[in-house]
Amino acid sequence: DIQVTQSPSSLLASLGERVTITCQTSQSISNNLNWYQQKPGQAPMLLIYYATSLQTGMPSRFSGQYSGRSFTLTITSLEPEDVANYFCLQHYSAPYTFGAGTKLELK
Amino acid sequence: QVQLQQSGAELVKPGSSVKISCKASGYTFTSYDMHWIKQQPGNGLEWIGWIYPGNGNTKYNQKFNGKATLTADKSSSTAYMQLSSLTSEDSAVYFCARGGRVLDYWGQGVMVTVSS
Repeated sequence: DIQVTQSPSSLLASLGERVTITCQTSQSISNNLNWYQQKPGQAPMLLIYYATSLQTGMPSRFSGQYSGRSFTLTITSLEPEDVANYFCLQHYSAPYTFGAGTKLELK
Repeated sequence: QVQLQQSGAELVKPGSSVKISCKASGYTFTSYDMHWIKQQPGNGLEWIGWIYPGNGNTKYNQKFNGKATLTADKSSSTAYMQLSSLTSEDSAVYFCARGGRVLDYWGQGVMVTVSS
C-alpha cells in the first residue's frame, strides 16, 4: 500500500496568514492526489484534484502544487471559514490511502 | 445538482450485520463508481472499496474483504454497503463518495455504533 504522510497534524494561524500543508507519498504517484476540507459533522468537500486543479466553486485562495512525491496545499490568505480539517487522498493505486489530516485553527 | 443521501444512524449489536444505503441524484448513476470510506476519530480515513453500478464490478481494500459487501440497485440509483460480523472496531462514520479518481461528491455519512 502507498503510505501518505501528512504534516503538520495541527496548525494555528492568523487571519490573512499564508498556510501550507504537505503530504508526502511513499512512492511516486504522478499527480494522482486530491485535497479535501472537512468541517465538524459535515461531509468532506473536494478542494483540489489531480494535485493542482481547483474544484469548481472553491475559492481561488486555495491552490495545490507538487514536486516528485511531495504535495502541498496552500491557502494564500486565511479566512475565518477556512477553519477545518484538511486531508489528502492518493488515488494512483488501490487501496486508495489518505493522509492523517491537519486540523487548522485560528491563532 | 449532485446529491448523495445516506441512510440514518445505526446502533447494532456485536456479531450482527448492518446494511447502509446511499441514494444518488443529479447525475447518471450508472456512469460513475461509488466509493465507500470509513472514518474513525483518531484513526483517520480508510478507503473500503468501490462499485461501478453500470455493471456491478467491485474493487475492495483487502483489509475489508469479508467485512464489507458493496451492491447497487440501478432502478433506484442507490448504492449499498453491508458490514458483517460487527465488532467495536467497526464503530465509525461511513461515507459514500462519487468516483472515479476524483471523489468529488460525498454523502453526509452514517454513524454506525456497535454496542451490546
